[in-house]
Amino acid sequence: DTGVSQDPRHKITKRGQNVTFRCDPISEHNRLYWYRQTLGQGPEFLTYFQNEAQLEKSRLLSDRFSAERPKGSFSTLEIQRTEQGDSAMYLCASSLEDTTDTQYFGPGTRLTVL
Amino acid sequence: GQQVMQIPQYQHVQEGEDFTTYCNSSTTLSNIQWYKQRPGGHPVFLIQLVKSGEVKKQKRLTFQFGEAKKNSSLHITATQTTDVGTYFCAGKYNFNKFYFGSGTKLNVKP
Repeated sequence: DTGVSQDPRHKITKRGQNVTFRCDPISEHNRLYWYRQTLGQGPEFLTYFQNEAQLEKSRLLSDRFSAERPKGSFSTLEIQRTEQGDSAMYLCASSLEDTTDTQYFGPGTRLTVL
Repeated sequence: GQQVMQIPQYQHVQEGEDFTTYCNSSTTLSNIQWYKQRPGGHPVFLIQLVKSGEVKKQKRLTFQFGEAKKNSSLHITATQTTDVGTYFCAGKYNFNKFYFGSGTKLNVKP
């Protein structure tokens, strides 16, 4: 399967701890997105990379959130000093820069902050 | 601000009935995409609409983009149990950033 993969699939952590999630996009895709989804809501944009450059970052993203895509391939999303309000599904999507701009989503990482 | 509103939140239909979900933006969209998310799954791309007044069909699904590019709809004819899931629209404005609606959860009773 050459789709988008995310690791881990589930993460349970205590409040105040740091967590890091990884996303491996489809290999030829140069665009990568991070979203957060809570129950009953649509995915909420967090940040976007084109190759290794982070071009957009949501104002909703506090300083505790940081994302990287060092070589334009996989990406990591780190949350520092987690809070209970950070509990959500974190989705990664990738796309190819073409007219369709179809986003292919990964299975997500479900974060639970106790 | 830029936001995409989607209604209804839930829709329960009998198998064979039609279903429609609507998305609305207060400002003009560059394009709009539609996704389906099955329970426990992740969003799966269905289609993208770009042109004013565009209508696209995929079997029993009909997608429309309004003339002013501020609204869109997804219509399913003769629903089947396999149509169960949450349907999201995702609007794009000027930059490569998508605003998802809150979704319409479709339940189909056999």
